Order: sequence, then structure tokens, then C-alpha cells
Amino acid sequence: DAGVIQSPRHEVTEMGQEVTLRCKPISGHDYLFWYRQTMMRGLELLIYFNNNVPIDDSGMPEDRFSAKMPNASFSTLKIQPSEPRDSAVYFCASSPRPGQWEQYFGPGTRLTVT
Amino acid sequence: GENVEQHPSTLSVQEGDSAVIKCTYSDSASNYFPWYKQELGKRPQLIIDIRSNVGEKKDQRIAVTLNKTAKHFSLHITETQPEDSAVYFCAVPSGSARQLTFGSGTQLTVLP
Repeated sequence: DAGVIQSPRHEVTEMGQEVTLRCKPISGHDYLFWYRQTMMRGLELLIYFNNNVPIDDSGMPEDRFSAKMPNASFSTLKIQPSEPRDSAVYFCASSPRPGQWEQYFGPGTRLTVT
Repeated sequence: GENVEQHPSTLSVQEGDSAVIKCTYSDSASNYFPWYKQELGKRPQLIIDIRSNVGEKKDQRIAVTLNKTAKHFSLHITETQPEDSAVYFCAVPSGSARQLTFGSGTQLTVLP
């Protein structure tokens, strides 16, 4: 199994530009999570999906952030417009069926907004 | 929501010594307690977890102990090695929801 795949691994963009982060969960996993990690705020959950349906997006910072999961093997996190304070490492994680709580993280996308 | 407190924030030990990291939580309904290890520049990786029906679980040099009455659980690493140096996170489920709330992390440094 290839594990959770994320792209790009690094993204540098200018303030105001649109940024799209991509994630492919582990095949067969029912849950997908998007996290943001910074030194100041630690590891924060942004949103999670169950069977492609968004369940809880209360961690999404503001309307500039949006996430979609069009099918079981693909999800995107979009920031439009981006701001310097969005600079962070964004992780995607997936988790198996109900009753199995383990989360498996992708390698992360390091986003820098200048 | 769930409140998770992790201590200490930094820990330095000599190679071969033991290390203990503790987490406390607020929701007594929580029943799953994992620990993740994150090496510099890498992803968090699950290293051990415990469910509420047991008090202790071991896997080679690492162990997790759980005290549900006091609402805390601890990670124990014995015979520490330099490759154990990393940030360790505890996590707790948020009530009946599916998500995990992570502790603030402990930077463990094993000195050779």
C-alpha cells in the first residue's frame, strides 16, 4: 500500500493567489482528515469527511478555505485568496471503518505565502 | 470540545534512560488513546494506542498506561536511543465524534 499521498510537497505562492492542495487517501479508508500544523497553534483539525461527505468543518479558519471530496480516492483543500498567515504544513490523514480509530498521515504540503 | 493537556513540553534524557510523557483529558467518555511520533520534517506516525478496556499496553521499548479514573494516560520509553529523539503527541477522540484532539507535543531529546 502506498499510504496517503499528498501533492505538492512544497508550495510557494504570493499573497492573493489561489492555492490547491491534493490528497489521495489509503484505499478502502472511510474517513479523510485535513490538518494544519504551525509552531504557534500545533496540529489543528480543519475538516473531515466520512464516505466523501463533509462531517465537521468547524476548524476551517474562514471562508477563504474550502475542501471537497468528489470521490473516495481524492480530496482537495483550496485557499483563495491566500495570505501570509496561511503559511504552514498541511497534512491529510485517512482512517479505516467505524470502530477503528487509527489515523494515517500523508507526508504533508509545506505552504509558504509571501 | 475535548481539552487535552500534555506535559512536559520538552524533555532531555541520557541515552539508555527512560522517558515518560503524560496527557490529561476532560471527556470521561473517551475510549481510545493513541500516541504519535513526529521526526523533524516528517509526518506524525502512530506508534502505540490503547483502548479503555485495558490499563497498559507494551510494544518492545514503548508502553502506554491509562488511568481512566484520573483521566490521564502516559507514554513510557525505556532504554532510550538517539533515534527516539522526536516530537511526541498524544490524542483523544472528541466525544462521540470521529476526530482526534491532539496534545501540544513533547520534544524529546536523547543525548548520546
